[in-house]
Amino acid sequence: EAQVTQNPRYLITVTGKKLTVTCSQNMNHEYMSWYRQDPGLGLRQIYYSMNVEVTDKGDVPEGYKVSRKEKRNFPLILESPSPNQTSLYFCASGYRVGTEAFFGQGTRLTVV
Amino acid sequence: DAKTTQPNSMESNEEEPVHLPCNHSTISGTDYIHWYRQLPSQGPEYVIHGLTSNVNNRMASLAIAEDRKSSTLILHRATLRDAAVYYCIYGGASYDKVIFGPGTSLSVIP
Repeated sequence: EAQVTQNPRYLITVTGKKLTVTCSQNMNHEYMSWYRQDPGLGLRQIYYSMNVEVTDKGDVPEGYKVSRKEKRNFPLILESPSPNQTSLYFCASGYRVGTEAFFGQGTRLTVV
Repeated sequence: DAKTTQPNSMESNEEEPVHLPCNHSTISGTDYIHWYRQLPSQGPEYVIHGLTSNVNNRMASLAIAEDRKSSTLILHRATLRDAAVYYCIYGGASYDKVIFGPGTSLSVIP
């Protein structure tokens, strides 16, 4: 089954403790992206990747890192999480820009 | 930035057609228009996309204005399962700074 898998689905952590949210797709997509969703602000793009080893900043990249060492994986790294990064995070992938994007089920992160 | 304008909310009766409008006045000639929807507690789901011509698929139809500055998503017969937030977006050639915006919250009345 074609899917984008995020882990974990739920995470509560403390300020400053490094964490990684994994994202994996099984569709051989070149394009992958991370979004955060906050009430009243909609979905905002954090980082995106056009292919392996190619990443670029989206609208709200501060406080986040990403890597794209393999085509299927695009982890989101929070080196020192802060409470303002409490949010619902979505990973997405697509064959190329301009085509249908598939979204994961989301990761709800709480930083206390 | 690729910004769109949509009504905050709309309402429809079940089994009636729904027309969801979107304005994208700053769209460029090579940008595709995409529609996604988000059901409660789920990730966004692709609905349809198009460039210039009207498009149909099993979920919906997309009508694109001749000047491409607006489009309309058409659900031919709304069902209760269509109650969701609908997002209209368009991306540059690199999907640079895609902005989803608040979307339109569609309520379907039985």
